[in-house]
Amino acid sequence: EAGVAQSPRYKIIEKRQSVAFWCNPISGHATLYWYQQILGQGPKLLIQFQNNGVVDDSQLPKDRFSAERLKGVDSTLKIQPAKLEDSAVYLCASSLDVAPLGTDTQYFGPGTRLTVL
Amino acid sequence: QKEVEQDPGPLSVPEGAIVSLNCTYSNSAFQYFMWYRQYSRKGPELLMYTYSSGNKEDGRFTAQVDKSSKYISLFIRDSQPSDSATYLCAMNVDNTDKLIFGTGTRLQVFP
Repeated sequence: EAGVAQSPRYKIIEKRQSVAFWCNPISGHATLYWYQQILGQGPKLLIQFQNNGVVDDSQLPKDRFSAERLKGVDSTLKIQPAKLEDSAVYLCASSLDVAPLGTDTQYFGPGTRLTVL
Repeated sequence: QKEVEQDPGPLSVPEGAIVSLNCTYSNSAFQYFMWYRQYSRKGPELLMYTYSSGNKEDGRFTAQVDKSSKYISLFIRDSQPSDSATYLCAMNVDNTDKLIFGTGTRLQVFP
């Protein structure tokens, strides 16, 4: 079974530029998550999709971050404009969504490492 | 105060040692407790999962939850160099998929 795919793996941009990350979840997984992992910290949930719909985006800085999941499969996360503090690894995860809430295993991709100069 | 506290380490042990990794938490509503392992430049992968208080064993790994103390542990027996990674605890409340992670403990097992 193929895992969660993410691209690009690395990205370096100047502050105030825009950047987009792409995620392809495991086939058949209904739920998709985007996490931000700052160096030395644990992942922090930015947004959770179930199929096309947003379940939780309470920690997404909506003035600069946006995410979409068209057709309930692939997803993109965009930052516009980027700030220095956005330097982090952006992790995408997916889950099958068949178990009771809170018990589904989340499978993570390798992440995109963003450096904002 | 953070919801989940975890000593960042690094923790350096010789091969064969018993390793104890710990997290404390403040939210008494947490019901599901997980340990993820993250190798350098990789995404986290689920190691162990427990529900509420108790112990769970899987091979060389034992996860322990003490809800009365709001304290969870992961024990690794006969540690191997391949266990060298960052170990993240994570937890969530009932009826939600939102995981709250600790900061992670970096473990180094030397031969």
